[in-house]
Order: sequence, then C-alpha cells, then structure tokens
Amino acid sequence: NAGVTQTPKFQVLKTGQSMTLQCAQDMNHNSMYWYRQDPGMGLRLIYYSASEGTTDKGEVPNGYNVSRLNKREFSLRLESAAPSQTSVYFCASSRGESNYGYTFGSGTRLTVV
Amino acid sequence: GENVEQHPSTLSVQEGDSAVIKCTYSDSASNYFPWYKQELGKRPQLIIDIRSNVGEKKDQRIAVTLNKTAKHFSLHITETQPEDSAVYFCAARLYGGFKTIFGAGTRLFVKA
Repeated sequence: NAGVTQTPKFQVLKTGQSMTLQCAQDMNHNSMYWYRQDPGMGLRLIYYSASEGTTDKGEVPNGYNVSRLNKREFSLRLESAAPSQTSVYFCASSRGESNYGYTFGSGTRLTVV
Repeated sequence: GENVEQHPSTLSVQEGDSAVIKCTYSDSASNYFPWYKQELGKRPQLIIDIRSNVGEKKDQRIAVTLNKTAKHFSLHITETQPEDSAVYFCAARLYGGFKTIFGAGTRLFVKA
C-alpha cells in the first residue's frame, strides 16, 4: 500500500518550458488536490478534484492546468514555466467527505531558471 | 473565502515544557480543523483534527481546543521531546466543502 505517489521528486526547468507532475493514490479516495509550498506561506491550494470527472480552481490556479485522468490519478501541468513557479508541490488525497484529513505525497521540488 | 492566521511563526521550548500554537479563521461556516506536522524535508502528516461539534480533543501528549464563538483553535503539546521539533500547520475547511485552507505554519524547536 503505497498511499500517494508523486513523480518526479526533483525537476529543473528553463523559463518557458512545460512539464507535467504526476500523482497517483491507491487508497480509493474520491478527492485529490495539488498544493504548492513556499517559505513562510504555508500550503496554498492550486486545483482540486472533488471526485472523478470534476476539477475546480483553488487559491492560486494561474499558470497551471490539471487533469483527473481516473479515480487514481491527478496530474498538474505547467504550460510555460516561470521563475515564480519555483516551489515544492504536494499532491494529496482524501475520502472526500468534509471531515476527513489529507494524505500527502512526498512532494516535487521544482526549480525554474 | 476562508483565511487562516497562525501564531507564532517560530516557537522554541525546553524539553519537557509545553508548547501552544494558536490559529484563527474567518469563515464561521468552517467546521473541520486538522493539524499537520511536517518534519524537515518530509511530507505533512495529519496528527490530530477536531470538528465543530466538539470543544476539545486529546491524543496522548497532544490536544486541540476549539472556540467557535471566537473562531479560534489551538494545538497544545505537553512534555515536549526533541522529536516534536517540526513545522506545524493548522487548517480549516468549510462545511460541505472540499478546500482546506492552511495557516502559514509554526516552526517548533525543542531544546534538549
């Protein structure tokens, strides 16, 4: 039982390049999330998927797109990377009901130069 | 939308002392308040949570209190140990919602 798996763990991009961060969970959770973590700013929600087939914007969606490929997988795409997108990205999942916490993946450290 | 403020940003205590981290939230419709612990270089992990129909919850050395009227909740760690050193995040979620909004975090240092 792997929980939430994110790939890659590290990535360096040049400004303007694109990439997709992958996330998969094996806990049969309904909801999945993408957060970014910057020093002193906590975790900020980028996009979320309440259930398979739905996606919604979070607090900081600009410059990102997402795809809920199936119940297990939720990907985050940067179409044209900018230095402001240098961050640690965490994927998370939850059962979906309001009163349950998240299980986080191990994170992707992204640097845009 | 919901906003969560967390204090202090840094907290240093002596081993064996207690530590208290405080959070306030803005939306009275929030009804679920989890706390996460993040060790250096690791993922955040849920350590305790509280729902709005409960005023206090304990789990061994950690406890969380909730004051709905004041829109305020706190994490209490007793008999702190060096392995408690980490960043702690409070969070809030609206009733019926899916978005969890996090505070900025508190870095706790426990000195041996």
